[in-house]
Amino acid sequence: DVKVTQSSRYLVKRTGEKVFLECVQDMDHENMFWYRQDPGLGLRLIYFSYDVKMKEKGDIPEGYSVSREKKERFSLILESASTNQTSMYLCASSLRPMNTEAFFGQGTRLTVV
Amino acid sequence: AQSVTQLGSHVSVSEGALVLLRCNYSSSVPPYLFWYVQYPNQGLQLLLKYTSAATLVKGINGFEAEFKKSETSFHLTKPSAHMSDAAEYFCAVSAPNQGGKLIFGQGTELSVKP
Repeated sequence: DVKVTQSSRYLVKRTGEKVFLECVQDMDHENMFWYRQDPGLGLRLIYFSYDVKMKEKGDIPEGYSVSREKKERFSLILESASTNQTSMYLCASSLRPMNTEAFFGQGTRLTVV
Repeated sequence: AQSVTQLGSHVSVSEGALVLLRCNYSSSVPPYLFWYVQYPNQGLQLLLKYTSAATLVKGINGFEAEFKKSETSFHLTKPSAHMSDAAEYFCAVSAPNQGGKLIFGQGTELSVKP
């Protein structure tokens, strides 16, 4: 079974802190995604990566950056956390063909105080 | 760019009744379409997908969806709701000219009454 592991289920950070959310997949998938999930807004794509060191902005990249130095790991970085970044963050991975299933991690619930 | 609209943020049905969750998409090229389900405190899992083969797609747990190009729709149905179907359902689209982006709708929360 594909496993997508997010490093933390719950995080509490202070405003202005630099925050790292880590995601690791174990199935050699080319594509990896970061979404945030908010009630009534569904899943909104922050960034995705289709290969090592390759990234593309999603619909809401402002305030975020990403890093993919190894194929299995995709990190989301909040350069200076703000309260409006309090949310559930979901990582996913998939094979390159776009008709294939994406596999999701359990999510990280981030609270910025 | 492609987009997805799910009509109805909350749908409530009685156990045994028909489930219909609506999804409309926008894409300049023939898309790939997906339905995912999220149970409370869990990640998302795939219910079914349309990838340009048969327009009527069958998924897990008795769900199915029909791709209608003329209506740009991909509605999810189940003939008879079960209490265990209570969850949040997401429609998603991926288009060949969008470089692998997978875009989700706003989600529909399904409640099943006894």
